[in-house]
Amino acid sequence: LAKTTQPISMDSYEGQEVNITCSHNNIATNDYITWYQQFPSQGPRFIIQGYKTKVTNEVASLFIPADRKSSTLSLPRVSLSDTAVYYCLVGVTLMNTGFQKLVFGTGTRLLVSP
Amino acid sequence: GAVVSQHPSWVICKSGTSVKIECRSLDFQATTMFWYRQFPKQSLMLMATSNEGSKATYEQGVEKDKFLINHASLTLSTLTVTSAHPEDSSFYICSATEGPREQYFGPGTRLTVT
Repeated sequence: LAKTTQPISMDSYEGQEVNITCSHNNIATNDYITWYQQFPSQGPRFIIQGYKTKVTNEVASLFIPADRKSSTLSLPRVSLSDTAVYYCLVGVTLMNTGFQKLVFGTGTRLLVSP
Repeated sequence: GAVVSQHPSWVICKSGTSVKIECRSLDFQATTMFWYRQFPKQSLMLMATSNEGSKATYEQGVEKDKFLINHASLTLSTLTVTSAHPEDSSFYICSATEGPREQYFGPGTRLTVT
């Protein structure tokens, strides 16, 4: 299984851009990189997913270098409500269904202060 | 779209009893669902992969006779914790896949065993 490593915690202030980097040195050719956000006592919420280069949606950008051994989640202009745990995941494709099994790492606890 | 619900949202049961948790995909069909467990301030731990119409695949170390999973339809998977003990108290979260890579999580069920 491709293991992911990310910082345990990060601090930021409102209005700043936050970049969380994740390393996944053993990523397989057909693996995608997905980021989730989780608030206390809630299920994880999908943020963004990518395979290579750059992906952007209404809430974040995901940067993936050519070797795909790392990825960076970029949150523009964070607010207090962005305080949460952010998980970087590399899916394991299940041969029988083609679907991806997700194995969660430790995640990054982001604290946004006023 | 892509909403996953869980019922109940929280449950308290006595030691030795069994409790059933339901996971439903409300607006899509999910041939594959996943069950996770999360202890306080820890990451999600994958327990099992549930495929509609077939037996669940359990992760190493998860007792299949204790955590019974039934995926009877394309929109419903159930997790039954049998003969619950206080150490089974945890936050149980399910997820459902709409496509090969899109995985949506339920809101979670807080189980407390007294």
